[in-house]
Amino acid sequence: SSELTQDPAVSVALGQTVRITCQGDSLRSYYANWYLQKPGQAPVLVIYGKNNRRSGIPDRFSGSTSGTTASLTITGAQAEDEADYYCNSRDSSGNRVVFGGGTKLTVL
Amino acid sequence: EVQLVESGGGLVQPGKSLRLSCAASGFRFDDYAMHWVRQAPGKGLEWVSFITWSTGSIYYADSVKGRFTISRDNAKNSLYLQMNSLRPEDTALYYCAKDYTGGHTPGTIDYWGQGTLVTVSS
Repeated sequence: SSELTQDPAVSVALGQTVRITCQGDSLRSYYANWYLQKPGQAPVLVIYGKNNRRSGIPDRFSGSTSGTTASLTITGAQAEDEADYYCNSRDSSGNRVVFGGGTKLTVL
Repeated sequence: EVQLVESGGGLVQPGKSLRLSCAASGFRFDDYAMHWVRQAPGKGLEWVSFITWSTGSIYYADSVKGRFTISRDNAKNSLYLQMNSLRPEDTALYYCAKDYTGGHTPGTIDYWGQGTLVTVSS
């Protein structure tokens, strides 16, 4: 399968921990990358590779993979973390890119 | 500072063509592969195409293969997307995006432009 599946929406209480997941067969072979997108703005890279934070991204963001599921964890979510989060990876051919459908994170 | 500035979007009738451009600065353009990614209004991200630094490898999403052509001019630090036989479902904000490497297969997208809007409608 060339698809990546994300939950459409997730909510978290301010200061609590939230995990956003991304599921797909290609994740057995390729790491997921994670992007956040705020309304009216371009996506921003958050996590790439095994668990590499983009420069400038707070250390409350972390990534992990188990089998066909990649996860983005925010430990101590802040109001400014409210955004749409997308995972992506290569597809099973390795020559194309596939994005998950996105998860809208609400910080309560 | 990496900057990617798209241009060329607009309103076009179904079946017509449009050429998008992306001006890159702040990095050595000919060292890196590049992508086009689009986002329909209110929808998620959809990868469109990839080109290596040398144009040695080019890949397309099935939804645009045979209609769209990606190219680059390293001397002008520019990326292009020629879009032919446009359909209403091609309506989207088109982002120019930089790959983390220059490699022959797509890697991580690490920088994005602000996008240019393409509207396909009669």
